[in-house]
Amino acid sequence: EIVLTQSPGTLSLSPGERATLSCRASQSVSSSYLAWYQQKPGQAPRLLIYAASRRDTGIADRFSGSGSGTDFTLTISRLEPEDSAVYYCQQYVSHLRTFGQGTKVEIK
Amino acid sequence: QVQLVQSGSELEKPGASVKVSCKASGYTFNTYAMNWVRQAPGQGLEWMGWINTNTGNPTYAQAFTGRFVFSLDTSVSTAYLQINSLKAEDTAMYYCARSPSVGAPHDYWGQGTLVTVSS
Repeated sequence: EIVLTQSPGTLSLSPGERATLSCRASQSVSSSYLAWYQQKPGQAPRLLIYAASRRDTGIADRFSGSGSGTDFTLTISRLEPEDSAVYYCQQYVSHLRTFGQGTKVEIK
Repeated sequence: QVQLVQSGSELEKPGASVKVSCKASGYTFNTYAMNWVRQAPGQGLEWMGWINTNTGNPTYAQAFTGRFVFSLDTSVSTAYLQINSLKAEDTAMYYCARSPSVGAPHDYWGQGTLVTVSS
């Protein structure tokens, strides 16, 4: 099983600041098979990024993904209040998918 | 538009069984795999497995073998999750989520079904 470790656990930033979220895999993951999801309280998760760097339809361009191999990053370039949420990475390279444990982004 | 609509909250006693439904609309049901994801209270997402909507063949994550059963009724474009011999630790929100193929992300999610196990 591929284990995904996200850091930090919580990120507390002000509106307009840049957020950098990390996702590290226990073994190499093809960048075609890494996604990021956003989950707000009381809501289902929402797909933000797939194939490591491709934004899903309707996702604001302040969200960007990068990385390869075992290290991936989600960047939110200019935080807005509505970006307060938990963000999860997921690998789907193997027929057994796994999620990271999540990073909570708090807006001051 | 694509929608995955799940059944309502359930309150069950330990040892009982529960069946959660996920009705799909707005797309051809058997062209997308259906996945199930668990989220315990205050915890992260756990991928439980998926079912091939063409063949009905299920694949379970290791932690979800034995008491968890995925099934389909393609005539009504609905996927099901049954949990047998319920335990208190099964208390969680359960989500269905489709994916275009095995090697694709979950692009649409159901709203979630809360299963509470309590005596």
